[in-house]
Amino acid sequence: SQTIHQWPATLVQPVGSPLSLECTVEGTSNPNLYWYRQAAGRGLQLLFYSVGIGQISSEVPQNLSASRPQDRQFILSSKKLLLSDSGFYLCACLLGRTPWDGYTFGSGTRLTVV
Amino acid sequence: SQQGEEDPQALSIQEGENATMNCSYKTSINNLQWYRQNSGRGLVHLILIRSNEREKHSGRLRVTLDTSKKSSSLLITASRAADTASYFCATDALKAAGNKLTFGGGTRVLVKP
Repeated sequence: SQTIHQWPATLVQPVGSPLSLECTVEGTSNPNLYWYRQAAGRGLQLLFYSVGIGQISSEVPQNLSASRPQDRQFILSSKKLLLSDSGFYLCACLLGRTPWDGYTFGSGTRLTVV
Repeated sequence: SQQGEEDPQALSIQEGENATMNCSYKTSINNLQWYRQNSGRGLVHLILIRSNEREKHSGRLRVTLDTSKKSSSLLITASRAADTASYFCATDALKAAGNKLTFGGGTRVLVKP
């Protein structure tokens, strides 16, 4: 079964500093991968998704970017963090190949920009 | 943008009572899924209902889907204090660039012992 690893679990970064969050997946190959952000007390907002190496689709224009350098690695980055980038970041993986296979989520990274 | 909108935003019930929450969405879907999130934690997949299904059960969970009204409901029967969590509906649509899961704002459920 698929397992998603996200790190770090928590992160406090100053405004203007760079960001790199990593997500890796085990137990599958060529998965569809997703980055979501959840603001405090709110729902999840899809940021990026990827169907393969080097293929990134962006949902929301902002100062974040994503990359997929390897099949089971998905990275969320920023060159300069803003206060509004604070939130709970979740990586997700589509479990199978069909829309009915469901998704699994990592345990998340709580980012606080100060 | 949010696809699903949950109603109510918050729900407080006594242990043993049923909890019902609703979700509406705007565009066509392949399936609709419900997730649970305990405070500050990741999401746990609860149940998936396909667009050609009308009702699905899993333990104490019952999900309905009305594609003509673009709405779904999640019923938790005989609630327990451990059911306290936020519940999210998410719609899955196949786009040219791949599947995309879009979440609503969630319903915060408090089950009082």
